[in-house]
Amino acid sequence: GNSVTQMEGPVTLSEEAFLTINCTYTATGYPSLFWYVQYPGEGLQLLLKATKADDKGSNKGFEATYRKETTSFHLEKGSVQVSDSAVYFCALSDISGTYKYIFGTGTRLKVLA
Amino acid sequence: ETGVTQSPTHLIKTRGQQVTLRCSSQSGHNTVSWYQQALGQGPQFIFQYYREEENGRGNFPPRFSGLQFPNYSSELNVNALELDDSALYLCASSLAAGGAGELFFGEGSRLTVL
Repeated sequence: GNSVTQMEGPVTLSEEAFLTINCTYTATGYPSLFWYVQYPGEGLQLLLKATKADDKGSNKGFEATYRKETTSFHLEKGSVQVSDSAVYFCALSDISGTYKYIFGTGTRLKVLA
Repeated sequence: ETGVTQSPTHLIKTRGQQVTLRCSSQSGHNTVSWYQQALGQGPQFIFQYYREEENGRGNFPPRFSGLQFPNYSSELNVNALELDDSALYLCASSLAAGGAGELFFGEGSRLTVL
């Protein structure tokens, strides 16, 4: 079945460092791909999405490109801030008819000043 | 614009009891999905409701049931609680079922089963 695998955390970086969080997926067909973020004490929020191969989603300095050939959707940011500390979830939309979203296990990011 | 609200935020139950969790969807959204998030894990799909009908279900037993009301609010009911049901239960609303539509999540109801 469809699945999402993302790198385990926690990831600890200094402010202004470069961030990459790896995400790969297994799916039949062409699902849409998402990154959601969960700040401490808050619900999940959509960070960015891509709906087809080679699409690049971007928001708040974060970017991810839908790579069909490597079945990947890695999250990147050139210069992280303390306020980016959160848990990041990679997800795909299941297009097999169940209307569910499949999430990875989450990667906790901690940015130090 | 009112976001997704869930109640209660925290609750403690004992094994064998029943629980009802409530969700008010974002204004204008007709689809509600429920997810279970165990500690340290990603959210797992329980089911989705669209216009008061169950529209998809994940790998959860029948003791997990739900309702959607005409105003698109929703309830999640869990019978015969088990220890493994301890988790954060997330409600998400969206404009349409499935596809690339964004899910808008509430802050969740944290259930502890003793």
